[in-house]
Amino acid sequence: NAGVTQTPKFQVLKTGQSMTLQCAQDMNHEYMSWYRQDPGMGLRLIHYSVGAGITDQGEVPNGYNVSRSTTEDFPLRLLSAAPSQTSVYFCASSRRLLRTSVYQETQYFGPGTRLLVL
Amino acid sequence: GQQVMQIPQYQHVQEGEDFTTYCNSSTTLSNIQWYKQRPGGHPVFLIQLVKSGEVKKQKRLTFQFGEAKKNSSLHITATQTTDVGTYFCAGRGGSQGNLIFGKGTKLSVKP
Repeated sequence: NAGVTQTPKFQVLKTGQSMTLQCAQDMNHEYMSWYRQDPGMGLRLIHYSVGAGITDQGEVPNGYNVSRSTTEDFPLRLLSAAPSQTSVYFCASSRRLLRTSVYQETQYFGPGTRLLVL
Repeated sequence: GQQVMQIPQYQHVQEGEDFTTYCNSSTTLSNIQWYKQRPGGHPVFLIQLVKSGEVKKQKRLTFQFGEAKKNSSLHITATQTTDVGTYFCAGRGGSQGNLIFGKGTKLSVKP
């Protein structure tokens, strides 16, 4: 299994450009998430999905769109890039299993995409 | 909204010394997770704690979840250079709530 894959690894954009960050997982996980990581800020949730066709906003959704047409893929779209979106973006997937009324989950992260917006 | 605070921000230790990082939530958590991120790498899941007062061990790592399910700690005994990295806690407010990450504790180990 490849786990969680992300493309591209690096990207430079000009302000106002749009692009799509790709994320795919081959573990048949229903949950997928996008995070951004900035120095000293930890990881912040942008958008997440609990299954194909279902997405929802996280902490910092503005300027980003997502869709989930298949279980495997969860692309993140930057509509009009801004310098404030310079960051490292991580995609993650997980399966949550309800065991004795408690959700057990293990989240797997992709290798990340480093984005620079000029 | 829910906040997860993590201290210290940095910790420098001599190899062989112990290390502890602490995590505190502003709200009661349904579970707390711990991750390790090596420099230049991605976060790697270490463990999930779900029960009040739970203690779990992984070799030299000991994880605790507070009785009130609002705080947690990670303790590393006799650190090694392979322990270098940033350790993050992440708390989920409800069974369907968002996972909120602390800002991490960056551990450096001097051989």
